[in-house]
Amino acid sequence: QKEVEQDPGPLSVPEGAIVSLNCTYSNSAFQYFMWYRQYSRKGPELLMYTYSSGNKEDGRFTAQVDKSSKYISLFIRDSQPSDSATYLCAMSVSGGYQKVTFGTGTKLQVIP
Amino acid sequence: DGGITQSPKYLFRKEGQNVTLSCEQNLNHDAMYWYRQDPGQGLRLIYYSQIVNDFQKGDIAEGYSVSREKKESFPLTVTSAQKNPTAFYLCASRSRQEGYGANVLTFGAGSRLTVL
Repeated sequence: QKEVEQDPGPLSVPEGAIVSLNCTYSNSAFQYFMWYRQYSRKGPELLMYTYSSGNKEDGRFTAQVDKSSKYISLFIRDSQPSDSATYLCAMSVSGGYQKVTFGTGTKLQVIP
Repeated sequence: DGGITQSPKYLFRKEGQNVTLSCEQNLNHDAMYWYRQDPGQGLRLIYYSQIVNDFQKGDIAEGYSVSREKKESFPLTVTSAQKNPTAFYLCASRSRQEGYGANVLTFGAGSRLTVL
């Protein structure tokens, strides 16, 4: 079993839809949770960063962490064609080297 | 603008050849990383370095080598011992700051290696 599980998709939604992307994990020591966005043939770029449980909002994006269920989510409101990309969840424990473990990524397509 | 520069963007290699991928950063970050990305497998760590002249193997180091002679540079050599080298290679860096933001990786644009 992988430490981090993420549905690879692809996920196709119409423009304006609310998108929900999710990851589950098995390591209860994870404290830092990140979402990266990766456009085709490009490097990932940080989208959201949260520590421990709770919600964080940034514009159209909301990240949620539920440590009791070992489940994290990224919500995109009013999705745009420019949101079409692969979304990678990532997480790490606190202390030490803090290796970052990535999910496999979910490919999202927003159709105009 | 600060960032990470990877070159070349595309590289073709014949079987049995070694190739070196370049990674340069001007972010003044201490730690640098090499990841390999394959479809359906996410990012897998090859090597990382937290300080000049020191580096450690990641999860899939076999068939790869690195050096860290300068803070700004962390080249990756894909040797002929790597049995399946065709992949997208990503270089990343991270500052040593503690606390909030300590785990944030900044990535380069990637290098795609194809073995002919």
